[in-house]
Amino acid sequence: DVKVTQSSRYLVKRTGEKVFLECVQDMDHENMFWYRQDPGLGLRLIYFSYDVKMKEKGDIPEGYSVSREKKERFSLILESASTNQTSMYLCASSSRLAGPPDTQYFGPGTRLTVL
Amino acid sequence: SQQGEEDPQALSIQEGENATMNCSYKTSINNLQWYRQNSGRGLVHLILIRSNEREKHSGRLRVTLDTSKKSSSLLITASRAADTASYFCAMRGSYGKLTFGQGTILTVHP
Repeated sequence: DVKVTQSSRYLVKRTGEKVFLECVQDMDHENMFWYRQDPGLGLRLIYFSYDVKMKEKGDIPEGYSVSREKKERFSLILESASTNQTSMYLCASSSRLAGPPDTQYFGPGTRLTVL
Repeated sequence: SQQGEEDPQALSIQEGENATMNCSYKTSINNLQWYRQNSGRGLVHLILIRSNEREKHSGRLRVTLDTSKKSSSLLITASRAADTASYFCAMRGSYGKLTFGQGTILTVHP
């Protein structure tokens, strides 16, 4: 089974702190994604990556950056956390080359609170 | 982006009843997928239907797609308390990106 893990289930940070959210997948997937989920707004794509060192902006990239130095790991960085970044963050991966096409496999999520 | 719109936003039924959720979208699609999310957890893929398919079944799930109306529906038959979750439709874009609807919260009462 595909496994996507996220570094923390719950995280509390202070305004202005630099925050790192880590995501690791074990299925050699090319594509990785970061979403945030807010009540009434569904899932919104922040950034995605279709290969190592490649990144593309999603629908709401402002205030975030990402890093993909290794194929299995995709990091989301909040350079200076703000209270409006309090949210559930979900990581996902998928493969263009193997398995059910376009199916995304999700991690359990990180609930981030910025005080 | 072509976010889907789901309806109803919330649905409450008794065990054994059928649950129907609808999804509408704006532009042409390659495929449409449905995902389930249990409370506070990640999403799990349920079923994918391609644009050239009209209906697909998987266990108690039945998905239909009407590309002329740009809409899809998910039917869960003989629902169980364990089906209580949020259900999302998702439309495929470039690079395998998915755009999700806002979800339907399904509550199945024992």
